[in-house]
Amino acid sequence: QVQLVESGGGVVQPGGSLRLSCAASGFAFRNHGMHWVRQFSGKGLEWVADIWHDGTKGFYADSVKGRFTISRDNSENTLYLQMIGLKVEDTAVYHCVRERMTDPAFDLWGQGTLVTVSS
Amino acid sequence: YVLTQPPSVSVAPGKTASITCGGKNLEHKSVHWYQQRPGQAPILVISYDSDRPSGIPERFSGSNSGNTATLTISSVEAGDEADYFCQVWDRSSEHPLFVFGAGTKVTVL
Repeated sequence: QVQLVESGGGVVQPGGSLRLSCAASGFAFRNHGMHWVRQFSGKGLEWVADIWHDGTKGFYADSVKGRFTISRDNSENTLYLQMIGLKVEDTAVYHCVRERMTDPAFDLWGQGTLVTVSS
Repeated sequence: YVLTQPPSVSVAPGKTASITCGGKNLEHKSVHWYQQRPGQAPILVISYDSDRPSGIPERFSGSNSGNTATLTISSVEAGDEADYFCQVWDRSSEHPLFVFGAGTKVTVL
């Protein structure tokens, strides 16, 4: 079954850290660029970060640059997002998203994992 | 880069819903559309302005001209009730950015 399953979300205090994981199955994970996109409670979507198919480059939204790190393990078909220095405004559902091989459209989304930053 | 969508659109079953997405010189960018039903993850319904991915009904179509892209849903069904987001890939920045509109909630009356 072609799917992405996120885990690792939870409640953390401001300044804390979390590591999100995304397990991919049913497709050739190593062939696709991968992204994290977050969704706020008011429904808005915000692109967070992406990583090339081979893991050699990653890019970040200005709002998370210097605090979040995206990585992947193609041997384990897993995508990661290490988050440090968390802020209240980082509270959101974090979706793992697959980029199509041919162009930068998002053709597969996971259900997401909820991150709540609160004191 | 900012994409502007109306917050909501209401449509009767069997009628046509049009959802707009506005942005500066949007016609020079490729617009993708996503549908998100309540409690579900988004799915891609239109890519590159007007292409329908496999499995998406022909009732879904898209266009892009000037500063406005439009997602059109014809013969609307109850199952089309969802949030719809437009998205572009902005290459004008130092590095590529992916920008989303705020979303439009489609209500089937």
